[in-house]
Amino acid sequence: GAVVSQHPSRVICKSGTSVKIECRSLDFQATTMFWYRQFPKQSLMLMATSNEGSKATYEQGVEKDKFLINHASLTLSTLTVTSAHPEDSSFYICSASPGSSYEQYFGPGTRLTVT
Amino acid sequence: DAKTTQPPSMDCAEGRAANLPCNHSTISGNEYVYWYRQIHSQGPQYIIHGLKNNETNEMASLIITEDRKSSTLILPHATLRDTAVYYCIVRVEGSYIPTFGRGTSLIVHP
Repeated sequence: GAVVSQHPSRVICKSGTSVKIECRSLDFQATTMFWYRQFPKQSLMLMATSNEGSKATYEQGVEKDKFLINHASLTLSTLTVTSAHPEDSSFYICSASPGSSYEQYFGPGTRLTVT
Repeated sequence: DAKTTQPPSMDCAEGRAANLPCNHSTISGNEYVYWYRQIHSQGPQYIIHGLKNNETNEMASLIITEDRKSSTLILPHATLRDTAVYYCIVRVEGSYIPTFGRGTSLIVHP
């Protein structure tokens, strides 16, 4: 149980374009979802937290207009990187937490490369 | 959340026990010790957590010192697939994880 999926697993896009990453909780309802970013040889850093039906809360230094988060249902959250630049190339990982517990379950990650 | 300190890297022979230490000297009474690991290019995987008693599950054992200022994660019979970065995180139950820190890169060799 407690499986979180992400799609796509890898994506390459051109500079200036937008790319959407999906995060799904497959066997539970996720009242809260989290988005992390991990640059090479660095640790995961939280970007934002979203509760279903509410606006996301962004960590300091993360531009909300650049990283659009939508948590429209209890099983799906999306992260859209708008006007992507090469410095946005990173490993993006989502995490979901069911309402019945405080545990975080992590997705497999999405490798974004902006050329 | 309290800060943790882990050695940057360790290695272990396959089949032997891997003992990964973590210092958390500023841990508060209501903070739990959590361990996760991240295999290369994958998302973090939960391993185990505990408050003050030692814990064991199918993956590992967690030994927490009596003063709770340090802990050790034990993989009893390490395999090559246990090669990963292991993160020790201290947090209040119910709080989210803001950052994983640097962790310990464990390499299990044949």
